[in-house]
Amino acid sequence: DSGVTQTPKHLITATGQRVTLRCSPRSGDLSVYWYQQSLDQGLQFLIQYYNGEERAKGNILERFSAQQFPDLHSELNLSSLELGDSALYFCASSVQGGGETQYFGPGTRLLVL
Amino acid sequence: GEDVEQSLFLSVREGDSSVINCTYTDSSSTYLYWYKQEPGAGLQLLTYIFSNMDMKQDQRLTVLLNKKDKHLSLRIADTQTGDSAIYFCAEKDSGYSTLTFGKGTMLLVSP
Repeated sequence: DSGVTQTPKHLITATGQRVTLRCSPRSGDLSVYWYQQSLDQGLQFLIQYYNGEERAKGNILERFSAQQFPDLHSELNLSSLELGDSALYFCASSVQGGGETQYFGPGTRLLVL
Repeated sequence: GEDVEQSLFLSVREGDSSVINCTYTDSSSTYLYWYKQEPGAGLQLLTYIFSNMDMKQDQRLTVLLNKKDKHLSLRIADTQTGDSAIYFCAEKDSGYSTLTFGKGTMLLVSP
C-alpha cells in the first residue's frame, strides 16, 4: 500500500458525460501527478499540482481539467467523454514538486460506452 | 523529446535470474526508476538509481546503469512466480518534474 488513495476504483459512463476522479496523496506529500494508462499510448503524464498550484502540464486534453484543494487532495475532471478516453487513470504523489520519487495510487478504471 | 524503450516480453523459469533491459535517450536524466504493475493493480515503486551511480542492490534486485550507452537493467535473482508482472522503466529529466515511462516489459515466470 503506497498511501495514495483514489476513488472510485471503477467508473462506467456514456459518451458525452462528465466524471470526476479523486485522489488523496500520501500524508505529508505536497505534489500530485495525474497519469493516463491505455493500451495504445502506455503511461502518459497529464498534469502536476504542487501545494495547490499547477506545476507542469503534459498531454492533457482541453476537455480535461484538474485542481488541488487546500487539504492537498486533487480531482481530475473529464468532460464530453469519448470512447477513446477509456483508460486507467493514476494519481501519484511526492514530497516536493521536483518530481523525485513518486508513489502511485491503485488507479481508477474508466470505461466509456 | 525523451524516449524510453523496453522489450515487451520476458519468460523465465522459477529460480532463474531475470534481466529486464531499458534504454533511454535523454542524457540529462537524473533519476531512473523501476516500477512493477501486477494485474489490476497500480504501480509499485521497486527501486531507483541516481544517474551518478553505476549499480544499486536491494535484496534480490540489482540495478545496473551504463550512462555512456544510456542503458538501464533490472536483475531479479531467484525469480519467483509472484514476480510475474509488468515492469516499467522510467526516467526523470533534470529540467522537469515529471516521469517518462517505457511501455513496460511483461515478465512471465513459469514453475
